[in-house]
Amino acid sequence: GAVVSQHPSRVICKSGTSVKIECRSLDFQATTMFWYRQFPKQSLMLMATSNEGSKATYEQGVEKDKFLINHASLTLSTLTVTSAHPEDSSFYICSAYPGTGSSYEQYFGPGTRLTVT
Amino acid sequence: AQSVTQPDIHITVSEGASLELRCNYSYGATPYLFWYVQSPGQGLQLLLKYFSGDTLVQGIKGFEAEFKRSQSSFNLRKPSVHWSDAAEYFCAVGERSGTSYGKLTFGQGTILTVHP
Repeated sequence: GAVVSQHPSRVICKSGTSVKIECRSLDFQATTMFWYRQFPKQSLMLMATSNEGSKATYEQGVEKDKFLINHASLTLSTLTVTSAHPEDSSFYICSAYPGTGSSYEQYFGPGTRLTVT
Repeated sequence: AQSVTQPDIHITVSEGASLELRCNYSYGATPYLFWYVQSPGQGLQLLLKYFSGDTLVQGIKGFEAEFKRSQSSFNLRKPSVHWSDAAEYFCAVGERSGTSYGKLTFGQGTILTVHP
């Protein structure tokens, strides 16, 4: 149980285009989902926290107009990178948090490798 | 603000040797502490976690960690390393209160190399 999927696993897009990444909790409902970004050989940096049905909370320094997050249901959150540029190339990982009863454990997706050319 | 420090960027051990990965945290209250493992190009797998109670925590794959409040540490140990343990290991501290339940702050990671 507690499986989180991400789609796509890899995506290559041209500079200036937008790309959407999906994060799904497959066998539980996630009250909260988190989006992280990981640069090569670096740690995970939290980008934003999204709660179902409300606006995402972005971490300091993360552009909310560039990284659009939608959490329309208890099993799906999407991250859209708008007008992507090469510096947006990174590994994006989501996690899903079931809320009470989960012992505060987040379940992580396998990640999405974004390359902007 | 909470923070996590993993002093060792890269550790190399021989297969069968013991392992200890260090983790120090800064947090204003009793923390939630986690160790995750990440293989190249993959997501994170939870090895173990500490919330309360017994300060020696057992995890998967033969790993254990000990919470030492006086030292603000949560070091990960394994008595005998296997070649398949080669990966990157992340220590994380989780917030306990307010609207940020579950928000994690990660350390810089420690890359483990295992020699045959």
